[in-house]
Amino acid sequence: KNEVEQSPQNLTAQEGEFITINCSYSVGISALHWLQQHPGGGIVSLFMLSSGKKKHGRLIATINIQEKHSSLHITASHPRDSAVYICAVVGRGTDKLIFGTGTRLQVFP
Amino acid sequence: NAGVTQTPKFRILKIGQSMTLQCTQDMNHNYMYWYRQDPGMGLKLIYYSVGAGITDKGEVPNGYNVSRSTTEDFPLRLELAAPSQTSVYFCASSPTSSGGGYNEQFFGPGTRLTVL
Repeated sequence: KNEVEQSPQNLTAQEGEFITINCSYSVGISALHWLQQHPGGGIVSLFMLSSGKKKHGRLIATINIQEKHSSLHITASHPRDSAVYICAVVGRGTDKLIFGTGTRLQVFP
Repeated sequence: NAGVTQTPKFRILKIGQSMTLQCTQDMNHNYMYWYRQDPGMGLKLIYYSVGAGITDKGEVPNGYNVSRSTTEDFPLRLELAAPSQTSVYFCASSPTSSGGGYNEQFFGPGTRLTVL
């Protein structure tokens, strides 16, 4: 079993829909990252959080440390949001990221 | 700033050949990382460095070597390439440990390597 599990693996949506991507992990962590991988392959960091909630534009990330679960929400989704969204955790006491396999999101007009 | 740059973008190797994947960052970051991404799998850490002259193994170091003689450069060397090393390789950097503070990792554009 992977230490970081994401669901769903694939997600399709109509433009304007509210999107939720989930991430569960089985290890103690000091931080959790959400990243976006564009269709061309480039990877950018969206959020780093260790508690609570962060918001950036139409993106919201939440984390529940007790339940070992994080969610990434996209409000008013747009075709340009189509990408792979990757959850990664930093194991407590380490400097290294452990990655989930990603959620592929396609938003259709 | 160019950020993190990687060369080459694409490469095809024959079994047994060697090559070096180049990675350079111009953000004066201490931490640098090499990952590989296989289809359907999460990124796996190959090697990382916390500063010039210091490197350490990640999850999948076999078949690779690294060096860090300067803050800017972190080349990845493949010796005796094997088909199992066919993958997309990403270099990344961060100002300090990604375990603390706000520190995100900045990724290069990737190198797609095929070993035939």
